[in-house]
Amino acid sequence: ETGVTQSPTHLIKTRGQQVTLRCSSQSGHNTVSWYQQALGQGPQFIFQYYREEENGRGNFPPRFSGLQFPNYSSELNVNALELDDSALYLCASSLRGPGPNEQFFGPGTRLTVL
Amino acid sequence: DAKTTQPTSMDCAEGRAANLPCNHSTISGNEYVYWYRQIHSQGPQYIIHGLKNNETNEMASLIITEDRKSSTLILPHATLRDTAVYYCINRGADGLTFGKGTHLIIQP
Repeated sequence: ETGVTQSPTHLIKTRGQQVTLRCSSQSGHNTVSWYQQALGQGPQFIFQYYREEENGRGNFPPRFSGLQFPNYSSELNVNALELDDSALYLCASSLRGPGPNEQFFGPGTRLTVL
Repeated sequence: DAKTTQPTSMDCAEGRAANLPCNHSTISGNEYVYWYRQIHSQGPQYIIHGLKNNETNEMASLIITEDRKSSTLILPHATLRDTAVYYCINRGADGLTFGKGTHLIIQP
């Protein structure tokens, strides 16, 4: 069973640029969620994708967008980067179905905006 | 905003049971209580979840009060590798709402 993987591990961008982060979900999982974790804070929910559509969103502006592909992998895109976007970006996969379903997290991508 | 309240930090001696409390007085009837932990700079790791009954797995036990307004995560024999930030979460329909968690430090 392959766990959740994310790429790249680290990334440095400048203000105003755009960035794409990638996530491969755990084998058998059909749902991907993205989180932003600033230094010293808990992860904050950005959005979730299920069946290639956004299915729930946290308090993040539209310049945060995403995609989910038929193989359930996902991308997080952030446009017009701001200094405050510097954070650890976490992807989590789960299997959507009746009842509770735990989310399994990847190692994250550390984004630094200069 | 997180709907749970946890102590900022706790210490526990190695080999002892670590008991981590969590208050979730506004939890609704169909929300589960989830516990995750995050070891420095890694992704959060799922520990356990429950609805009403106490739960146990290979990592921990979860004790939920009868009124469901609070719970306790128990690590029965803490080791140095259990040093981490522990998050108590009430699970809604979509994403997990993390607070700041409890920084558990296991002392040798």
